[in-house]
Amino acid sequence: DIQMTQSPSTLSASVGDRVTITCRASQSISNWLAWYQQKPGKAPKVLIYKASSLESGVPSRFSGSGSGTEFTLTISSLQPDDLATYYCQQYTTYWTFGQGTKVEIK
Amino acid sequence: EVQLVESGGDLVQPGGSLRLSCAASGFTFSSYEMNWVRQAPGKGLEWVSYIGRSGSTIYYADSVKGRFTISRDNAKNSLYLQMNSLRAEDTAVYYCAREKSGGDWNYFDYWGQGTLVTVSS
Repeated sequence: DIQMTQSPSTLSASVGDRVTITCRASQSISNWLAWYQQKPGKAPKVLIYKASSLESGVPSRFSGSGSGTEFTLTISSLQPDDLATYYCQQYTTYWTFGQGTKVEIK
Repeated sequence: EVQLVESGGDLVQPGGSLRLSCAASGFTFSSYEMNWVRQAPGKGLEWVSYIGRSGSTIYYADSVKGRFTISRDNAKNSLYLQMNSLRAEDTAVYYCAREKSGGDWNYFDYWGQGTLVTVSS
């Protein structure tokens, strides 16, 4: 089974800050990685697919990078609406999610 | 507009059974692979089960294999999850999720709002 590990588990940042979340896979997954945003009490929503492709309608302040086993999600300028938990997901063999990163606004 | 609406969640005793439904609209249901994903209270996301477009290909997570059965009715635009021998650790919000079309494996592009299953005596 492919394991996904995110870091940090929680981060606190100010509006306008650049925020980076890391996701590591236990084996190479090429670029078959998605990032989801889940706001409190809501269903997850896809932000990024194929490691770096922005889903339609997602603000351009979100970006993804990486391949193989190391990936990052970057929010270039944190906004109050970005308060959420973010999950990475591999989809090279079945589907596995990271444990999540909770983003708090200072 | 794509919509996925889950129903059937309830409080059930350990060892009991429950059937979840997911009603799909706004797209050609029979053209998409579908999945169930769950989230225990305060925890992360866990993929549960997959079903192919015709229903002939099915996968399960090890944690539910032998206890849960996924199915679909393309004529009714509906996805189901039959859950038997329920355990306390099955307590979660269950989401149905549409898989993006194309390729062998893909990400989930639409999710329902979820239905809560509580397993407790």
